[in-house]
Amino acid sequence: AQTVTQSQPEMSVQEAETVTLSCTYDTSENNYYLFWYKQPPSRQMILVIRQEAYKQQNATENRFSVNFQKAAKSFSLKISDSQLGDTAMYFCAFMKRMEDSSYGKLTFGQGTILTVHP
Amino acid sequence: NAGVMQNPRHLVRRRGQEARLRCSPMKGHSHVYWYRQLPEEGLKFMVYLQKENIIDESGMPKERFSAEFPKEGPSILRIQQVVRGDSAAYFCASSPPRQAIIGNTIYFGEGSWLTVV
Repeated sequence: AQTVTQSQPEMSVQEAETVTLSCTYDTSENNYYLFWYKQPPSRQMILVIRQEAYKQQNATENRFSVNFQKAAKSFSLKISDSQLGDTAMYFCAFMKRMEDSSYGKLTFGQGTILTVHP
Repeated sequence: NAGVMQNPRHLVRRRGQEARLRCSPMKGHSHVYWYRQLPEEGLKFMVYLQKENIIDESGMPKERFSAEFPKEGPSILRIQQVVRGDSAAYFCASSPPRQAIIGNTIYFGEGSWLTVV
């Protein structure tokens, strides 16, 4: 079974600054995906960024980037130029890659509440 | 992800009543997942369904909970004889058939909030 751990219950950052959210995971699988989801006060689950484990290059989506360390099983999210709208709960998630099915079972971490201050 | 439709958004039930939550997947999606989010926690997988089949129900409580995804109509998560501990947000997600999925095409609905009083 996989586990995902987010060791920072809460983080805060000033607007326009950079913040990094930590995530570690434990798995015996070699092929998998990692995700960061954002859950704003509206509670909707919004995909922020995705990383395939077989890719060495770190994923980037505009102001969001990850530092994927496969050997260390670490998957941190860096938010640059933080904006007030980034205030949300952030969840790290793991999904095993299945070659012959579309199995989309996600394992989530406990979440990190990020507050961006003006 | 606005394409995954869940209703009702909010549901209040008294202890012992039944709760039914509905999920219509995105167009073209034939796979549905239900997740539960307890207060101050992350989402926990409950069940994975394809049309008329339950593929994985390893996260479903053994009693009172059931799910279905009929050939026609939405997926239903049913909770019988609700208790206060069932109060949570229930999220539905959907994905396309296996030919299209490579891990990133899972879309969430906006959730259904169940409050048991």
